[in-house]
Amino acid sequence: NAGVTQTPKFQVLKTGQSMTLQCAQDMNHEYMSWYRQDPGMGLRLIHYSVGAGITDQGEVPNGYNVSRSTTEDFPLRLLSAAPSQTSVYFCASSEMGRSPQHFGDGTRLSIL
Amino acid sequence: RKEVEQDPGPFNVPEGATVAFNCTYSNSASQSFFWYRQDCRKEPKLLMSVYSSGNEDGRFTAQLNRASQYISLLIRDSKLSDSATYLCVVNRGSGTYKYIFGTGTRLKVLA
Repeated sequence: NAGVTQTPKFQVLKTGQSMTLQCAQDMNHEYMSWYRQDPGMGLRLIHYSVGAGITDQGEVPNGYNVSRSTTEDFPLRLLSAAPSQTSVYFCASSEMGRSPQHFGDGTRLSIL
Repeated sequence: RKEVEQDPGPFNVPEGATVAFNCTYSNSASQSFFWYRQDCRKEPKLLMSVYSSGNEDGRFTAQLNRASQYISLLIRDSKLSDSATYLCVVNRGSGTYKYIFGTGTRLKVLA
């Protein structure tokens, strides 16, 4: 009963490093999304995808890349980490774009 | 004005009390509305969708007021386990898959 799985759960990076946050879902959901959550700001949409091969930008896409080669996976890449990207990152999926989203348990990322 | 606004609280209520939260949204074209709960440092979990005619799930009732552009959540007979942050979520408009989250309303139910 995995649902949405995010790895790693915690990560510390140095400024300028790159890394990929992994997200996988086993519910055959078409819609997947990435959010970041910062204190006092709520969750903000970074990128989303409505199916394999289709991605689009959210509110705060700068500094992040995504791709969707399969229905199951939606990795988020930080190209050159900056301290402003220190946050908690959540991946979510849903059957369709207007269905409720199911969230992974998050990746806590610190950039030094 | 923020696209989605919530009173941050905290709302401190005794066990058994009834408490209500509102969430206002600015885009009149929004069509999808949800309430989530989030426990400290955990992922958001769906509490309920909000339908035009209003809907109820046990002790929880959600309402949508399109004319005044707000949604509400009513919790009856509050339990200690209801202590959490409640997030409202609104889509950005017709045909869009972009969702805007409110910053949340914190509820503390006191013994």
